[in-house]
Formats: sequence, structure tokens, C-alpha cells
Amino acid sequence: GAVVSQHPSRVICKSGTSVKIECRSLDFQATTMFWYRQFPKQSLMLMATSNEGSKATYEQGVEKDKFLINHASLTLSTLTVTSAHPEDSSFYICSTIGTGQETQYFGPGTRLLVL
Amino acid sequence: GENVEQHPSTLSVQEGDSAVIKCTYSDSASNYFPWYKQELGKRPQLIIDIRSNVGEKKDQRIAVTLNKTAKHFSLHITETQPEDSAVYFCAASIGSSYKLIFGSGTRLLVRP
Repeated sequence: GAVVSQHPSRVICKSGTSVKIECRSLDFQATTMFWYRQFPKQSLMLMATSNEGSKATYEQGVEKDKFLINHASLTLSTLTVTSAHPEDSSFYICSTIGTGQETQYFGPGTRLLVL
Repeated sequence: GENVEQHPSTLSVQEGDSAVIKCTYSDSASNYFPWYKQELGKRPQLIIDIRSNVGEKKDQRIAVTLNKTAKHFSLHITETQPEDSAVYFCAASIGSSYKLIFGSGTRLLVRP
């Protein structure tokens, strides 16, 4: 399967600060990347779909101004959690797919803790 | 909206026994159904997938069956081993798009 990395693996920040999470596709060109959020012992909830060179599309209930997504290249997408609050504490995971493919390969996730 | 239901939420089996996890989906246009295994604190890993034009697929100890009419699909693990212990998620494509909706997960425990 594809190799996907995320950075950082975990981050602790103060309430009100912004946090940027990077998702990289290391061995193929990811035309589409997905961002998920996973609360403890819960399922993966799709937040947004990120396509290279275009604006991300957000799922219902996800604030696009709070969760800024940039997909500047075929190998990198970033998620910025702006003005983070304790309720934003979660496990954020990205996944990638290649052109014409449907299998999603996941990154290792980023654990965010907002104090 | 689209929904995927997964059962059971927890499953405990003796090593060597079989485990079955079932999912139902609501979107009749769904055409892709992957299964992921997630160990604690780790990324979900694809273990098997099936497309709507196939009724069954097998890969060694793992098999998946799909009933399009009833809109349900199942994961079968035979000869379970302790290292199979993890959380398993089913998923269904949203229509024919590449987006997935995930089930709530099944925590499988294989007792040595």
C-alpha cells in the first residue's frame, strides 16, 4: 500500500492558539486527500475532502473557517486548526488516494490536546 | 443521509475460533466496501475490500461477503490468533464517490 506520513504525531497547545498538521504522500501522487477526526473509542468521521489545486469541500457541520485545509501539491495537504479549544482535542487522521483509485491509505494520525 | 451500522460492538472469541462482523448500509448506490483494522493509537490499515460487482472475496484467513439486495456485508476471520485483536471498521462509499462512511467499529478480543 501507499506510504503516508503525518507531522506532528502529537501536539499539546494552549486554548486559542492555532495548530498546523501536515499530511504527506511519500510514494505516489495523491490527487485527493481526506481529513478525518476520531474521538476516543469512536469511529472515523470525515471532515473534508482535499483536492490538489482547488478548495477543500467540507462535510456538514464542519466549520471551514476553523479547519483550514490547503492542498498545495500532489504530495502535501495541511490542516490548520484555528483558535483551538479543548473540545477540538482529538485524533486527526489523513488518508490519500491516487488518480482513478478508490483505496484509501491512512497516515499515522496526529493526537491533538488543547489545554 | 447515508448510514453504516456495524455489529457487534465488541466480540470475544477463543483463539482458533472464527469471528464474524456484520455491517449494513443505507445508500443503494454504494459500490465499494473496505474493511480496516486499527490497533490502539495506530492508523487504520486496509485488510480487505470488495466491490459491488462481486459477492465474495477471500484472502487467506479473511473473507468478505456482500449482499447487495439486502445491503449488508460481513467480515469473516477464521482460525483467529491473538494478534487479530484490534478494532475493525467497515466502510461504504458514498454513492460512487471516493468518500467513505465508516461503521462504529467492533472491538475484537482473541483469548489465547
